[in-house]
Amino acid sequence: DAGITQSPRHKVTETGTPVTLRCHQTENHRYMYWYRQDPGHGLRLIHYSYGVKDTDKGEVSDGYSVSRSKTEDFLLTLESATSSQTSVYFCAISPDRAPNEKLFFGSGTQLSVL
Amino acid sequence: TQLLEQSPQFLSIQEGENLTVYCNSSSVFSSLQWYRQEPGEGPVLLVTVVTGGEVKKLKRLTFQFGDARKDSSLHITAAQPGDTGLYLCAGETSGSRLTFGEGTQLTVNP
Repeated sequence: DAGITQSPRHKVTETGTPVTLRCHQTENHRYMYWYRQDPGHGLRLIHYSYGVKDTDKGEVSDGYSVSRSKTEDFLLTLESATSSQTSVYFCAISPDRAPNEKLFFGSGTQLSVL
Repeated sequence: TQLLEQSPQFLSIQEGENLTVYCNSSSVFSSLQWYRQEPGEGPVLLVTVVTGGEVKKLKRLTFQFGDARKDSSLHITAAQPGDTGLYLCAGETSGSRLTFGEGTQLTVNP
């Protein structure tokens, strides 16, 4: 298994609170991604990173920010959580970018916003 | 609007049966990937196809990329309970990131 650790695995929070999810990799891959998975929508890209301090938006980035201060860590922050952000969040890594993207996923974080 | 349509959405079969699931789009893909996801885990990459008409086999799983690179299929022969899971296809268009379909939830009953 690829060395990807997501924390926490489960979190329950209240609307309006900030939340940070962490992804840690031991593979030294350059590319890191945050996805959310929801019924009826599949996996959707939130943000991605192509190097330390280099990040870009995905298709559903509103309400989320990311930071990557080290190769191995990629943080996803919900500045003020809303109920619509209740989801399962997956971190993924890839050694290459498109067109040779091959994603290795973490085990996910189940986030509930009440 | 889903770029990739997967069918069927749900499939429940008995052990030993054969099955085919489909991934269709109106877009042309430079490559297409299939993943399997088990409950409580992230998706795991099974295969990548890049050439129109390409066929790849992984034990009892056969993956085919359409000639026009707009569709793909996954055929499982003699399904086993261990094949149970969510099968996701993901397509890459020229210069863009992977886009995922919603998946086919397969249940193989003993």
